[in-house]
Amino acid sequence: GAGVSQTPSNKVTEKGKYVELRCDPISGHTALYWYRQSLGQGPEFLIYFQGTGAADDSGLPNDRFFAVRPEGSVSTLKIQRTERGDSAVYLCASSLAPQNTIYFGEGSWLTVV
Amino acid sequence: ELKVEQNPLFLSMQEGKNYTIYCNYSTTSDRLYWYRQDPGKSLESLFVLLSNGAVKQEGRLMASLDTKARLSTLHITAAVHDLSATYFCAVEAGTDKLIFGTGTRLQVFP
Repeated sequence: GAGVSQTPSNKVTEKGKYVELRCDPISGHTALYWYRQSLGQGPEFLIYFQGTGAADDSGLPNDRFFAVRPEGSVSTLKIQRTERGDSAVYLCASSLAPQNTIYFGEGSWLTVV
Repeated sequence: ELKVEQNPLFLSMQEGKNYTIYCNYSTTSDRLYWYRQDPGKSLESLFVLLSNGAVKQEGRLMASLDTKARLSTLHITAAVHDLSATYFCAVEAGTDKLIFGTGTRLQVFP
């Protein structure tokens, strides 16, 4: 597809469960980002990949959050032992290279009940 | 730590009127972005401003950057209903992440 693709678009899970969110960046984009947006707020940075490696994971809130990008394309954000406070829209973004325009996906809306 | 503030947070304006949204940031940065977000949708890139004095225009929107004042403005000319959305500015922190403002929710009414 032409844009950043994220699945699922909506996920409802019970507190304590494990969740995976997937991101397919724009083809050829080497930089990939995860952000989290709570209701009424601006997006907050979580993690940045350049290629396969996590170049900056300083935004991950705690060790329940983990992300991978094993082949330098698709990325998965993994959340263990979900809490109600994890409810938010998780946005993935990509750019051709660092400091190029960043394009965002539609997001995965996570609700923890 | 880089902080980004936008004002106003809410803006209700009549069609045909002009208004400006302000974005202040706390430390030096090389670039600033403006994004639009419709309810339930993702972020649409509007402008990327790269240097002091940069001005970009697209339709009824014009963005400018003053790096010395650490201020960017998004000016709306002769607003129309289709411009109703939330507008975010975002400032680049280092080479790898954007710090977003809290957003300005714009509503344009007849």
